[in-house]
Amino acid sequence: DTGVSQDPRHKITKRGQNVTFRCDPISEHNRLYWYRQTLGQGPEFLTYFQNEAQLEKSRLLSDRFSAERPKGSFSTLEIQRTEQGDSAMYLCASSLDVSGANVLTFGAGSRLTVL
Amino acid sequence: KQEVTQIPAALSVPEGENLVLNCSFTDSAIYNLQWFRQDPGKGLTSLLLIQSSQREQTSGRLNASLDKSSGRSTLYIAASQPGDSATYLCAVPFNTNAGKSTFGDGTTLTVKP
Repeated sequence: DTGVSQDPRHKITKRGQNVTFRCDPISEHNRLYWYRQTLGQGPEFLTYFQNEAQLEKSRLLSDRFSAERPKGSFSTLEIQRTEQGDSAMYLCASSLDVSGANVLTFGAGSRLTVL
Repeated sequence: KQEVTQIPAALSVPEGENLVLNCSFTDSAIYNLQWFRQDPGKGLTSLLLIQSSQREQTSGRLNASLDKSSGRSTLYIAASQPGDSATYLCAVPFNTNAGKSTFGDGTTLTVKP
């Protein structure tokens, strides 16, 4: 297992375009999280899945954002009609739901630049 | 609402020094606390996780302590090396879901040879 993989690593797009990021978690992990991080700030929680169910979404996740995790494996995060304020690093993390030991494993992130 | 603060925002030390990074949180009813390392342009690497019932955790040259009553955690790095240069972040889970966490903004450490 190569850890959590994210693709693409860097995406440059024009305002108004749609973008999609993919995350492949560690195979035995049942929980998957998306975070967003801007320069100089800590990551902010966006949403998480337990298996294929999306259990919670942050208020940061506007209706232009949608995330899926079909079959409880990889996940996609789509941003429609991108805005310059969407420019950030989008981080995916996974964990195994073991009580008291939900150690997060993060991917390298997908950096979005909206021109 | 839980708030997590890390002071200082940046720290520069000569190689070999022992140092302490600080993390404070406003709601002491935490489930656990996790320390991460982030290299520039990269994702986060978990360093240590301290359960709410624990006082400290150690891994190699790293020691993390937790004082829930005062809302503080410290990360102690012994005999710092240039390879320790990175941003260190602490995270506190919203509730029992330890993956859904509030992060501090990190302390950027530079260890000079």
